[in-house]
Amino acid sequence: AQTVTQSQPEMSVQEAETVTLSCTYDTSESNYYLFWYKQPPSRQMILVIRQEAYKQQNATENRFSVNFQKAAKSFSLKISDSQLGDTAMYFCAFMKHGQGGSEKLVFGKGTKLTVNP
Amino acid sequence: GAVVSQHPSRVICKSGTSVKIECRSLDFQATTMFWYRQFPKQSLMLMATSNEGSKATYEQGVEKDKFLINHASLTLSTLTVTSAHPEDSSFYICSARAPGGQGMVAKNIQYFGAGTRLSVL
Repeated sequence: AQTVTQSQPEMSVQEAETVTLSCTYDTSESNYYLFWYKQPPSRQMILVIRQEAYKQQNATENRFSVNFQKAAKSFSLKISDSQLGDTAMYFCAFMKHGQGGSEKLVFGKGTKLTVNP
Repeated sequence: GAVVSQHPSRVICKSGTSVKIECRSLDFQATTMFWYRQFPKQSLMLMATSNEGSKATYEQGVEKDKFLINHASLTLSTLTVTSAHPEDSSFYICSARAPGGQGMVAKNIQYFGAGTRLSVL
């Protein structure tokens, strides 16, 4: 079974600064997807960024980027130029590759990020 | 982007009553929908996977008769909490997926509803 570990329950950062959230996972699969989801106080889950394991290039979405280390099974999220609206719970998630459509997301416990003015 | 509508956003009911929560994919056909439960300050816990036209697959420890799931169409799945009790009070979230992708909907992405807060008195 796959597991996802987020070792930082809470983090804080000053507005405009950079912060990195850690995520490690354990799997025997060779082909899979990794995601970062954001859950702001509204509790709406929002996809931040995704990475396909077969791609060596790290994914980037505007101020959000990942450091994907497949051998180390590490998938950290870097938020640059932090904004107050980035305050949220951030969940790292794993999904194995499949064609059936029923593949599950396995979530970490989350990191609560607070951006301070 | 893809929109998943979940209704109601909040429900308060008396112990012993049943509550139905709807999850709709508004701009794509979702062959698979997922139902999660989230306790305060915790992560999402998958309850069941729902495929259109077939019975839902429940996770271990989730009572099938307590949490009835119906996925009768490609755009609608419902979760009914039967004979609700205070311990069923929680935040329930659905998600939908179009495995092959459709238009602006990316494949292999779960799109989430806004959640339903259930309070059983």
